[in-house]
Amino acid sequence: GENVEQHPSTLSVQEGDSAVIKCTYSDSASNYFPWYKQELGKRPQLIIDIRSNVGEKKDQRIAVTLNKTAKHFSLHITETQPEDSAVYFCAASDNNNDMRFGAGTRLTVKP
Amino acid sequence: NAGVTQTPKFQVLKTGQSMTLQCAQDMNHEYMSWYRQDPGMGLRLIHYSVGAGITDQGEVPNGYNVSRSTTEDFPLRLLSAAPSQTSVYFCASTSQGADGYTFGSGTRLTVV
Repeated sequence: GENVEQHPSTLSVQEGDSAVIKCTYSDSASNYFPWYKQELGKRPQLIIDIRSNVGEKKDQRIAVTLNKTAKHFSLHITETQPEDSAVYFCAASDNNNDMRFGAGTRLTVKP
Repeated sequence: NAGVTQTPKFQVLKTGQSMTLQCAQDMNHEYMSWYRQDPGMGLRLIHYSVGAGITDQGEVPNGYNVSRSTTEDFPLRLLSAAPSQTSVYFCASTSQGADGYTFGSGTRLTVV
């Protein structure tokens, strides 16, 4: 099955700085790559996703890039705010079946 | 729409007991999955289903059974609970081409 690795496991940034989280995947058949944000005690919530026919996608302060050749994708958060503090998960799947997640990155944004 | 509903929210079991975690969705999603979340290990797939009557194993299926008799329901059964099954369990659903999974609110299970 698919194996997703995520780095770093923890990330601390100053408010206003950018944050980057990187993931790699193993299965070349994977074609859907979502990112989830999980606040303490809450369920994971989808924040952005990208499909294999697209190299980059942006939504306000959040962007995701995908390099299919290298099998890696990244989440970029610009102008970070304290409310961005949470655990972020990347995931990979083939047409929404059998979705596998990375181990998560705990992002702390210091005011 | 209620989305994905999980019950119970909290449960304490004794080693060896069995129980069923319930999951129901009202979005007519064909795909449903069960994940467990442990500190530092992210979300690990237990079992998933691509439609009524079809289930398959994920990466950590041992000790768990599932069935999918209807599109709406996807219960997870613990046959003989062990302390290693102490975790937070999430049910999730989606449909073909949709934007990611919708998660339930989770069940916090403690096995003593």
